[in-house]
Amino acid sequence: DAGVIQSPRHEVTEMGQEVTLRCKPISGHNSLFWYRQTMMRGLELLIYFNNNVPIDDSGMPEDRFSAKMPNASFSTLKIQPSEPRDSAVYFCASSQSSTDYNEQFFGPGTRLTVL
Amino acid sequence: AQSVTQLDSHVSVSEGTPVLLRCNYSSSYSPSLFWYVQHPNKGLQLLLKYTSAATLVKGINGFEAEFKKSETSFHLTKPSAHMSDAAEYFCVVSAPWDDKIIFGKGTRLHILP
Repeated sequence: DAGVIQSPRHEVTEMGQEVTLRCKPISGHNSLFWYRQTMMRGLELLIYFNNNVPIDDSGMPEDRFSAKMPNASFSTLKIQPSEPRDSAVYFCASSQSSTDYNEQFFGPGTRLTVL
Repeated sequence: AQSVTQLDSHVSVSEGTPVLLRCNYSSSYSPSLFWYVQHPNKGLQLLLKYTSAATLVKGINGFEAEFKKSETSFHLTKPSAHMSDAAEYFCVVSAPWDDKIIFGKGTRLHILP
């Protein structure tokens, strides 16, 4: 199994541009999570999906952020327009929620820099 | 509600000496507990997990943790530190029915030569 796949691994963009981060969860997993990690705020849960349906988006900072999961094998996190304070590492994780525990498997992350 | 507290933001030990990273949790029900490790510029990797089986859990790279319900603790230990253990460690709690997991703020482990 290739694990959770994220692309791109690094993204540098200018303020005001649209940014799209991509995630492919582990095959068979039915929950998908987007996290943001910064030095100041640590690791924050932005949104999570179960069976492709958004369950909790209370961590999404503001309307500039949106996430979709059109099918079980793909999710996107979009920032439009981007701002310098969005610079962070964004992690995607997946899990199989039908088990009796909730081990999450993390992707390698996307390092976003907004200039 | 679940919560987790990592008592130290930084821990420094000499190579070859024991490691202790402390974690206390709060949970209304029998929780699942995890330790994740993050090496510099890397993603998070599961070290070990407790899921109501044995209270002493062994993980990868010689780490282990003991679930102590009376103390609501899940401290991470290793008998002898190695330079490659330098990383950030996260204690995590979840409820069995909840997809979400709650991360502690992390403990950065420094290994002195």
